[in-house]
Amino acid sequence: SYELTQPLSVSVALGQTARIPCGGNNIGSRNVYWYQQKPGQAPLLVMYRDYNRPSGIPERFSGSNSGNTATLTISRAQAGDEADYYCQVWDSSTYVFGTGTKVTVL
Amino acid sequence: EVQVVESGGGLVQPGGSLRLSCAASGFTFSSYSMNWVRQAPGKGLEWVSHIGGTSTTIYYADSMQGRFTISRDNGKNSLYLQMNSLRAEDTAVYYCARGSAATAGYYYMDVWGKGTTVTVSS
Repeated sequence: SYELTQPLSVSVALGQTARIPCGGNNIGSRNVYWYQQKPGQAPLLVMYRDYNRPSGIPERFSGSNSGNTATLTISRAQAGDEADYYCQVWDSSTYVFGTGTKVTVL
Repeated sequence: EVQVVESGGGLVQPGGSLRLSCAASGFTFSSYSMNWVRQAPGKGLEWVSHIGGTSTTIYYADSMQGRFTISRDNGKNSLYLQMNSLRAEDTAVYYCARGSAATAGYYYMDVWGKGTTVTVSS
């Protein structure tokens, strides 16, 4: 089965740039989606089909996907960006979620 | 406002059954696939099941196959998850999530409910 690997945690200084990698075999050939989940809340779609932002998601969020790594980038990080982030792909009639990355804004 | 609201969670004994419901509003329900996703305490997201807009396409995660049954009633704008032979490891928050439009051909979830908690314990 297809697996997506994410680092357990990423720390970023306030106002700086955070990059959250999502590793998978030839993930660049797939559509990747990203979800943000704050404590006690439901997940929120923040990126679809690699680099497209849903309505209401700040331009500070951007995405890329190539080779074996997809990346969600948060520019000018704010305290409100602290959350868990999950990548997701579709594979063999299943939705596959990454292991999740906790982003801490220092 | 586009929203989905789950209900039906609760405490159930191992081996028992539970039926979750999800009420959708604010969009043409039959035009979208729907999903159940769960999250065990302190753990990540785990996809459970998917159903297409007309119920002709249904998928399950391997660990749920044979125990869980997803269904929908487009006349009532409702999604369901029948869970049988429940185990302690099924304890989780269960989210209802809207999938893509039926004609889109993409697989993701753009509208999520707040979840309903299922606890399997004696």
